[in-house]
Parts: sequence; structure tokens; C-alpha cells
Amino acid sequence: SQTIHQWPATLVQPVGSPLSLECTVEGTSNPNLYWYRQAAGRGLQLLFYSVGIGQISSEVPQNLSASRPQDRQFILSSKKLLLSDSGFYLCAWSVRLAGGLQETQYFGPGTRLLVL
Amino acid sequence: AQTVTQSQPEMSVQEAETVTLSCTYDTSESNYYLFWYKQPPSRQMILVIRQEAYKQQNATENRFSVNFQKAAKSFSLKISDSQLGDTAMYFCAFMKLLMDSNYQLIWGAGTKLIIKP
Repeated sequence: SQTIHQWPATLVQPVGSPLSLECTVEGTSNPNLYWYRQAAGRGLQLLFYSVGIGQISSEVPQNLSASRPQDRQFILSSKKLLLSDSGFYLCAWSVRLAGGLQETQYFGPGTRLLVL
Repeated sequence: AQTVTQSQPEMSVQEAETVTLSCTYDTSESNYYLFWYKQPPSRQMILVIRQEAYKQQNATENRFSVNFQKAAKSFSLKISDSQLGDTAMYFCAFMKLLMDSNYQLIWGAGTKLIIKP
């Protein structure tokens, strides 16, 4: 079965410091990968998605970047964190099956980021 | 632009009761997917149920079922025999096709459901 891991689970960082959040998927090949941010009590905002190694698409301009160095690894980064980067970050994966529109997304446990 | 609206910010019911969460969406597409996700206090996002727009039959998963009204663009979630473990935020989501043939989920704001003992 497929599993998705995220670490760290919780992170407290000072403003201006760098960031690296990691997401890995097991039990599947060539997944689509996604990074979301969720503000407290709100829905999810898509930040980045990737359909393959080295292929990153950004949905909103921001202080963050993403990379996919390996098939099942997705990294969210920042060179200098802002207070507004605080939130809950969720990684998700999906597989598009042959025959059309089938792409349920499955989520990792998330990372709580607090920027002080 | 596609939007998803959940008009109930919070609901509260007694254990074992049935509760219905509402969701409406706006799209001009004819084929799409709709989802309900559950987010308990642990904040893990868990898929509850999925509905394909081309299927007339409403999806069911054990105690969870949907009432999908395509013409009305309505996608409500019914939870029967509610349990304390059903306490969570519930999000409705619509699958949108992107320019590069990838897909994006458009999310509602969520409904906080509290099951009381």
C-alpha cells in the first residue's frame, strides 16, 4: 500500500531563516505531488504541484519554492522566511489512471510551521 | 471561475443522529469529480467519499453518503448514526482541469462538525 511521509511534524523558525520541508511517497511510481498551505480555520491553498522529476508548477506567487529531486520526493523551501509563511503545510500525492479523469489526492500528516 | 461554497461554518448534533452538510459549486464543465475530505483535530486530511459527475448514482461509503444534484450543482454529505470520532472539519472539493492537463482541487471553506455524547 502507498504511504506518504512529511517531516518535520512541527517547526519553529525565526524570521529571515531558511526553510526546508520534505515529503516522500512510498509504494507508488511517478506520482503527481502537491504542496498546500492551510491557514488556521481555513481551507487549503495550492502552492505547487509536480507531474515528474524536475517539473514544478506554481499556482501563486510567494516567498517559497519547490523542488523534486527524485521521483517520490518533494521539497518545499524558502531562503528567508516571513511571518506570513506561518501555517500548516500539507503534501499530497495522486496517480492519474488510464482512461480519463481519475485523480484522488491523498494527504500526508502535515507540518506545523510557526515563524517568529 | 470555479468556486465551492459551504454555507454552514459549524454544526453540532447528538451521537447516533443523522447530519447533512451542504456544498454547492459553480462550474461550466460537464465532467468532473467532487470530494468530501475530513480533517480531525490531528489535522490529517482524510478522504471520505468521491463522486464522479457522469454517474447518476449517489456514492456511498458505509455511514457516509452524498446527495449529488448535478443540475442544481449541489453535493451534500449525509452522515448516518454519527459517532464521536466523526467530530472534525469537513471540506468539500471540486476537481478543476488546469491548462497543462493536470488537475487542481478547489476547496470550500469547511464545516466544523461536533458530535456530542
